[in-house]
Amino acid sequence: QVTLKESGPALVRPTQTLTLTCTFSGFSLSTSGMRVHWIRQPPGKAPEWLARIDWDGDKFYRTSLKTRLSISKDTSKNQVVLTMTNMDPVDTATYFCARTDIAAYYFDYWGQGSLVTVSS
Amino acid sequence: EIVLTQSPGTLSLSPGERVTLSCRASQSVSSIYLAWYQQKPGRAPRLLISGASSRATGIPDRFSGSGSGTDFTLTISRLEPDDFAVYYCHLYAGSPAYSFGQGTKLEIK
Repeated sequence: QVTLKESGPALVRPTQTLTLTCTFSGFSLSTSGMRVHWIRQPPGKAPEWLARIDWDGDKFYRTSLKTRLSISKDTSKNQVVLTMTNMDPVDTATYFCARTDIAAYYFDYWGQGSLVTVSS
Repeated sequence: EIVLTQSPGTLSLSPGERVTLSCRASQSVSSIYLAWYQQKPGRAPRLLISGASSRATGIPDRFSGSGSGTDFTLTISRLEPDDFAVYYCHLYAGSPAYSFGQGTKLEIK
């Protein structure tokens, strides 16, 4: 059974750095073709893809946020970590981690999401 | 950047009705990269359709997807109360880049 779960702070102050952890089970990020993503969704808006890390360590970021994002993995702990620097109130959103399976282009499993509010 | 435009924004329908949701891409795309999700309040999106027309595991056959090029549709043949939600189309556009449409909300009439 595949599961993913996000954890991190619910409240972040403007200019601070956000660190979110995705802890997953039921698959291994060392399996060829496996990928874990971070996606966010501002209240009442559509999801927005942020970043991806692949089984082989390759990393990809949303172009518009590339300078603020960093994604990493700890395969032994089945965790993927996202950091986003210089947080702003417009970054208030529910942050999801999700998986794409081998040779797939869609997110087949998602975490429950973690609401992050940016406010002073 | 390929933009996905969904229409209509909101639909008010009754259980039992048939509905077709539209997703239009700003340029021609491969259908293998097009997916549909259902989202209910406070929940993560749920994969319904991948590759434009393949139902995900456990998705009832009243959900069907079709389309090619720039125009894609999600059809629900007979609405059930559980189907009232927001529906998003999603595209893998390479690079990598993953885009979502703005969503269509199905509400009970």
